[in-house]
Amino acid sequence: GAGVSQTPSNKVTEKGKYVELRCDPISGHTALYWYRQSLGQGPEFLIYFQGTGAADDSGLPNDRFFAVRPEGSVSTLKIQRTERGDSAVYLCASRAQSAASGELFFGEGSRLTVL
Amino acid sequence: GIQVEQSPPDLILQEGANSTLRCNFSDSVNNLQWFHQNPWGQLINLFYIPSGTKQNGRLSATTVATERYSLLYISSSQTTDSGVYFCAVEQGNFNKFYFGSGTKLNVKP
Repeated sequence: GAGVSQTPSNKVTEKGKYVELRCDPISGHTALYWYRQSLGQGPEFLIYFQGTGAADDSGLPNDRFFAVRPEGSVSTLKIQRTERGDSAVYLCASRAQSAASGELFFGEGSRLTVL
Repeated sequence: GIQVEQSPPDLILQEGANSTLRCNFSDSVNNLQWFHQNPWGQLINLFYIPSGTKQNGRLSATTVATERYSLLYISSSQTTDSGVYFCAVEQGNFNKFYFGSGTKLNVKP
């Protein structure tokens, strides 16, 4: 597609449930990022993929959070046993691996509400 | 990790006024981007500006990497400029970007 696509745009779930958030990057972009944004704050880094592998997962808050990118394109962020503190907007971004342009492009985000 | 500080945190302008937003960072960076987050939450790319000066219409940006800061200038502000402006920096290449806390701009008609 023309831009980064994220689904669902909104997700309401109950505490303890499992959630998957999907990101479809810009075609041809090899790098994919997940960020989390809480109300009134800047985006906070979670994990970064280069191709299929996680190049940096230092931002994942705990082992309830996991992300995959099996074919080097679409990525899924998985959250187990959700907690109310997981409520936030989850943002996905992609960039081309090129010395000419390292610009990051973001999707519209998935707003997660844990009741 | 690197610290990114943006100022001012909040700014109220009358339509037509000019403003300067500042981004300071605590260590050397290879890349820097400015974003505008609109009221619907979408992060819109404004400038990719590791160094130097760029202009796009009423907006311009300058990064002085050796002094660890970047400035975003908005001239003749419009109500549609309202939202939050974020600065994000990257150390090295193809690493994570660190974001500041943003400057919340409200342009009144």
